[in-house]
Amino acid sequence: DVKVTQSSRYLVKRTGEKVFLECVQDMDHENMFWYRQDPGLGLRLIYFSYDVKMKEKGDIPEGYSVSREKKERFSLILESASTNQTSMYLCASSHERGFTGELFFGEGSRLTVL
Amino acid sequence: DAKTTQPPSMDCAEGRAANLPCNHSTISGNEYVYWYRQIHSQGPQYIIHGLKNNETNEMASLIITEDRKSSTLILPHATLRDTAVYYCIVRTLMDSNYQLIWGAGTKLIIKP
Repeated sequence: DVKVTQSSRYLVKRTGEKVFLECVQDMDHENMFWYRQDPGLGLRLIYFSYDVKMKEKGDIPEGYSVSREKKERFSLILESASTNQTSMYLCASSHERGFTGELFFGEGSRLTVL
Repeated sequence: DAKTTQPPSMDCAEGRAANLPCNHSTISGNEYVYWYRQIHSQGPQYIIHGLKNNETNEMASLIITEDRKSSTLILPHATLRDTAVYYCIVRTLMDSNYQLIWGAGTKLIIKP
């Protein structure tokens, strides 16, 4: 079975801190994604990557950056965390490009920024 | 904005079929309908997807109307573990890239 592992289930950070959220997948998938999920808003795409060292902006990239140095690892970075970035963050991977196939999600990282 | 409309919540008795409706009246001819579900405190899980024809797998059946303006996800024998938020999503072409635009979903509660 595909496994997508997110490094932390729960984090509490202070305003202005730099935050790293790590995601690793074990199925050699080309495509990886970062979403945030807020009540009543569904999932919103932050960034995605179709290949190593490649990244594309999603719907809400402001305040975030990403890094994909290895195929299996996709990191989300909050350079200076703010309270409005308090959210659930979900990482996903897929084999097919262009959202044509199944997305496999991690269990999520719940970030609280104080 | 999401291209789908779903009821915010539904109940179903354990052992009965759960039928979850979804409206997607503005869907285009080449846009697929996807269904995912999210059990509390977990990431979303893929269920099924389709374009025109009805689809069935080990988890569920997807019935798409002939005009493609709506669809129904059917869980044939619901169990308590099927309690989750179910998302109906249209895969949409935006800025030369396909995307999944997620709505708020339907909270399905299976009652004993």
